[in-house]
Amino acid sequence: EPEVTQTPSHQVTQMGQEVILRCVPISNHLYFYWYRQILGQKVEFLVSFYNNEISEKSEIFDDQFSVERPDGSNFTLKIRSTKLEDSAMYFCATREAPYSGNTIYFGEGSWLTVV
Amino acid sequence: AQSVAQPEDQVNVAEGNPLTVKCTYSVSGNPYLFWYVQYPNRGLQFLLKYITGDNLVKGSYGFEAEFNKSQTSFHLKKPSALVSDSALYFCAVRDGNFNKFYFGSGTKLNVKP
Repeated sequence: EPEVTQTPSHQVTQMGQEVILRCVPISNHLYFYWYRQILGQKVEFLVSFYNNEISEKSEIFDDQFSVERPDGSNFTLKIRSTKLEDSAMYFCATREAPYSGNTIYFGEGSWLTVV
Repeated sequence: AQSVAQPEDQVNVAEGNPLTVKCTYSVSGNPYLFWYVQYPNRGLQFLLKYITGDNLVKGSYGFEAEFNKSQTSFHLKKPSALVSDSALYFCAVRDGNFNKFYFGSGTKLNVKP
């Protein structure tokens, strides 16, 4: 099965610090997503990204968050000035475009702990 | 508004018995429906999807799901449960007009020996 790769698998950071989570999409995939799962809660949509720009974002995805694809391969989520409530598992997901029925494939997640 | 509901937080079945994990959805356009499984401390693994065609969809690990348009449901089923099926199961829907996937709250499946 194709794989989405995420790094780091786990990061502990001090409140107020900046964090960058990285994702290597499946090679021919063009739609990228970030989702978040707070411990014990549902999987929440953060943002989708296509053609080097954000296509949709949720109300969670405020100015504290940003995404980019700096080198044409990695897809990153930056969280500025982290807060305790940012502690969660962050999942990157990708899908092939443009067929709208394509499956999205998830990475193993990056577990962020803000202390 | 698009949404997915998984009415059961937990489902308990005995090994060898059939299992059903329920999901209902609400979308404005044509629904694209998915099931994912999550094992502890792992990512979400794709199980199966319904896009169009036969209402009964077969997927990985012997799972299947039935799309019911009139009841707006997409319940996950397996004829004979295994202890190794114990995990968290998420239903997801994508409105064909939009890019975003919506996930249910998840159902924890416990299969006892």
